[in-house]
This record gives sequence, structure tokens and C-alpha cells, in this order.
Amino acid sequence: KQEVTQIPAALSVPEGENLVLNCSFTDSAIYNLQWFRQDPGKGLTSLLLIQSSQREQTSGRLNASLDKSSGRSTLYIAASQPGDSATYLCAVRPSSGGSNYKLTFGKGTLLTVNP
Amino acid sequence: NAGVTQTPKFQVLKTGQSMTLQCAQDMNHNSMYWYRQDPGMGLRLIYYSASEGTTDKGEVPNGYNVSRLNKREFSLRLESAAPSQTSVYFCALMAAGYEQYFGPGTRLTVT
Repeated sequence: KQEVTQIPAALSVPEGENLVLNCSFTDSAIYNLQWFRQDPGKGLTSLLLIQSSQREQTSGRLNASLDKSSGRSTLYIAASQPGDSATYLCAVRPSSGGSNYKLTFGKGTLLTVNP
Repeated sequence: NAGVTQTPKFQVLKTGQSMTLQCAQDMNHNSMYWYRQDPGMGLRLIYYSASEGTTDKGEVPNGYNVSRLNKREFSLRLESAAPSQTSVYFCALMAAGYEQYFGPGTRLTVT
């Protein structure tokens, strides 16, 4: 059974700092990995989607990497801002089988960027 | 959350009452999902629909029913609400490239 772990559960940094959020998964047979952002009381917003054949994806100040063989992904946030404060979740989709529609989610990292 | 709408945004029920959570999409995709999100438990799949007229149970289907009468709408029904069903409910769809998009959520309290 796939398990997705995000460490740390919470992170507090000063504004302007570059930071890395981690996501690890136990089964490397994935189709893709998706990073989401969730603001308090809101739904999940898709940030980046990395297909299993890709090593990284970039969007603005965000860069996500994927090392499928080691079961790891990182989300790099450059020059953090208070507006980046949110919970960040990763999710993996299995590559095959009858349940490949099911995502397995991590429990998220709560990021606080202090002014 | 553009493209996926959910109603209502908030709801308070008494134990034993019933209600239907509505979800609609305007992105013309086949696959739709219902999740619940609870502190410490993360997101858990309740039901999934691959296309109009088809539904499959997810991880926590007990106490829920779903209906996918057309491509656009996917509803979740609680027939007899219990306090354990107090949660935030999210509808989602799967777009091209297997990217998942979420609605804004329904916050349900069962007293």
C-alpha cells in the first residue's frame, strides 16, 4: 500500500528565505506527483504536476523535483513571502492497475513565512 | 478552484437528518471524486465516478451514497447523519494529464 510522508509537519521561516519542502513515497510505481497549496478554510489549489518521466517542473518562484527511484520529491520556494503561508500537500497517482484513479495524499506541511 | 463548484459552503445537521452535497463542473471532464478531510487523517476518498452513470467506492464509503446522473454533476448524500461525519467535504475532478482540481469545500457539522 502506498504511503506518502511529508516532513516537517510545520515550518516557520523569515521572509525572503529560500526553502525546501519534502515529500516521500514508498512505492515508486507512480504515474505522476502533484503539489497542492491549501489556505485556511479553502480548497486545494494545484501548484505543479510532475509526470513520472520528468525530473522537475517550474512555475514562477516554485520548483518541484522528482526522484522516482528513491521515492522523493521536493518543492523549492525561492524568496519566500508572507503570502506563501499555507499548507502544502503532495499526492501521488499509481502508474497502473485498477486503482490508478486513486491519489494518495501526504498530510501536508504547514508553512508560515514571517514578515 | 475555478471550474468546480460546491453547495452549500456550510451546513449544520442534527444526528439522523439527511442532506445532499452538490458538486458541479464546467470543465467537461469525465472523472469526479468526493473526499473528506479531517485533522490528523488527511484527505480520504469517499467515492469516485469515472463517467456519467458509474460510481465506485473509495476508502470510506460507509454512510454515504452518490449519484452521477450526468457528466456535469456529482452529488453526495448522507441518509442519516452521524457526528462522525462532521468534516470538510471536497469534490474534485481529474483533468487532462491526470491533474486533479478541487472545489472550495463544504464544511459540515453534525450535532
